[in-house]
Parts: sequence; C-alpha cells; structure tokens
Amino acid sequence: DSGVTQTPKHLITATGQRVTLRCSPRSGDLSVYWYQQSLDQGLQFLIQYYNGEERAKGNILERFSAQQFPDLHSELNLSSLELGDSALYFCASSVGIASNSPLHFGNGTRLTVT
Amino acid sequence: DQQVKQNSPSLSVQEGRISILNCDYTNSMFDYFLWYKKYPAEGPTFLISISSIKDKNEDGRFTVFLNKSAKHLSLHIVPSQPGDSAVYFCAASGYYGGSQGNLIFGKGTKLSVKP
Repeated sequence: DSGVTQTPKHLITATGQRVTLRCSPRSGDLSVYWYQQSLDQGLQFLIQYYNGEERAKGNILERFSAQQFPDLHSELNLSSLELGDSALYFCASSVGIASNSPLHFGNGTRLTVT
Repeated sequence: DQQVKQNSPSLSVQEGRISILNCDYTNSMFDYFLWYKKYPAEGPTFLISISSIKDKNEDGRFTVFLNKSAKHLSLHIVPSQPGDSAVYFCAASGYYGGSQGNLIFGKGTKLSVKP
C-alpha cells in the first residue's frame, strides 16, 4: 500500500460530460502529481502541485484542470469529455518538489468515455 | 518525440535466470533515472534509481547500470522469480531551467517469469 488514495476506482461517462477525480496524498507528502496512461502508452505527466500551488505543467489539455486544497488532497477535473480521454489516471505524491525523490503512486482511476 | 524509450514491449524469462530490461534516452540533460514496477490494477511502485554520477546501483536482486555515453540504462534481475512478472517502467528527469524537471516515463516492458 503506497498510502496514496484515489477515488473513484472506475468511472464510466458519456462524451461531453464533466468528471472529477480525487486524490489523497501520502501522509506528510506536499507534492501531488497527475499522470495519464492511455492504451499502450507510457505515463504522461499532466500537472504537479506543491503545498497548494501549481508547480509544473505537462501535457495537460485546456479542458482539464486541477487544484490542491489546504488539506493537501487534490482534484483533477476533466470537462467536455471525448472518447480519447478514456485512460487510466494516476495520482502520485512525494515529500518535496524535486522529482528525483521517488514518487508514490495511487492505484489509479480508470475512466471510460462512451 | 519520445525522450525515454523502452523498445521491447515484452520479455519472457525462465525462473532463476537473469532478466535484463533495457531503456534508452535522448535528452542529455537527464541526470536521474528510476525504474518502477507495476502489477495489474495497481499503481507503479518505485524499484531502484541511479544518479548520473554513478554507473551502477545495486539493491538485492536488482541492479541498474547506466551508460551515459550511449544514453542507455538497463535493469538486471538475478535470479528472476515468478513474482517479478509485471510491467517495468523506466523514467528519467533532469535539472534544467533552475529546477529538477518532472519524470519522463517510457512505455514499459512486460516481464513474464515462467516457473
């Protein structure tokens, strides 16, 4: 158990809809990262927050947004969903800012857009 | 453009033998490399890492080798066990722009260890 909790585990929704994925980081970790894994793809970095502030952005679409709350949990909002957004979405956390400290991943949310 | 490449999607090895998983990278700014292991329905789990100032790092049955001139790293598992069957991701990051960049992952190699 990594200590990172993601909810829900599975989500099935229709195109055009909006969903929110939730992540609780490991106790003591201040950084939260979101990754997307599509079929046969590696993990694509989306966005990082550190102690409530956006720290880095990767390949995140404008239809997607995220935030980290004062209690350090994070939410990833996906809107105007398209079929291609179907993927596994992973949240990870680490103690500090630098990515050369190992990330601890949750078990992911599998999003299916129909 | 893939900066971290794992060219073998799958690898099958007999129990007790050596497993060698390979990874190539293109960005010379990468200075930190990690391997993650992923079982089905779980998130990736950190396995082992290596800094660019080293060429080898060992942890039990797992050894990572780094060849900077070739921009190549490999993970050796000796001896391989059926429980090692999983997808292995190579990841890299570099210090540029005044901060440590985020991890760039390869697409993974699925290792099957047969009893």
